Amino acid sequence: DIQMTQSPSSLSASVGDRVTITCRASQSISSYLNWYQQKPGKAPKLLIYAASSLQSGVPSRFSGSGSGTDFTLTISSLQPEDFATYYCQQSYSTPRSTFGPGTKVDIK
Amino acid sequence: EVQLLESGGGLVQPGGSLRLSCAASGFTFSSYAMSWVRQAPGKGLEWVSAISGSGGSTYYADSVKGRFTISRDNSKNTLYLQMNSLRAEDTAVYYCAKDRARKVGATESSFDYWGQGTLVTVSS
Repeated sequence: DIQMTQSPSSLSASVGDRVTITCRASQSISSYLNWYQQKPGKAPKLLIYAASSLQSGVPSRFSGSGSGTDFTLTISSLQPEDFATYYCQQSYSTPRSTFGPGTKVDIK
Repeated sequence: EVQLLESGGGLVQPGGSLRLSCAASGFTFSSYAMSWVRQAPGKGLEWVSAISGSGGSTYYADSVKGRFTISRDNSKNTLYLQMNSLRAEDTAVYYCAKDRARKVGATESSFDYWGQGTLVTVSS
């Protein structure tokens, strides 16, 4: 099975900060990597698919990059509505995809 | 507007059964693969099961294989998850999710729409 790790597991940031979250796969997954945002008590929301493609309706301050085993999600200027937990997901071995453990972004 | 509405969760004793439903609307249901994803309290996301648009192909996580059965009724635009021999570790919020890809197993797969989730609690 492909294992996904994320770092950091949590971070504190201020509105306007640039935030970067890293996701690493246990083997090469090409660009088959997705990012989701989840707020407490809500379903996850797709932000980025195929490593760098922005899902329709998602603000352009979100961006993704990477290929192979190392990926990043960047929020260029953190907004109040961005405080949430972020998950990466590999789709290389879909349908048996796996998610990372999550990165919680909270207010500094 | 795409909508996914789960139902059927609740409290069940260990060893019991439960059937979850997910009513879909706003897209051509039969054209897309669908999945169930669960989240134990305070934990991360775990893919549980997937099914092709036709229903002819099904897939399961090792943790539920042999106990859970995924199915769909395209005439009713509804996805199901039959859960048998439930264990305490199956306690979670269960989400149904629509795949962006039309074909199950496509590497460009991602979950572009999710239901609100239904809570399953396995406890005596």
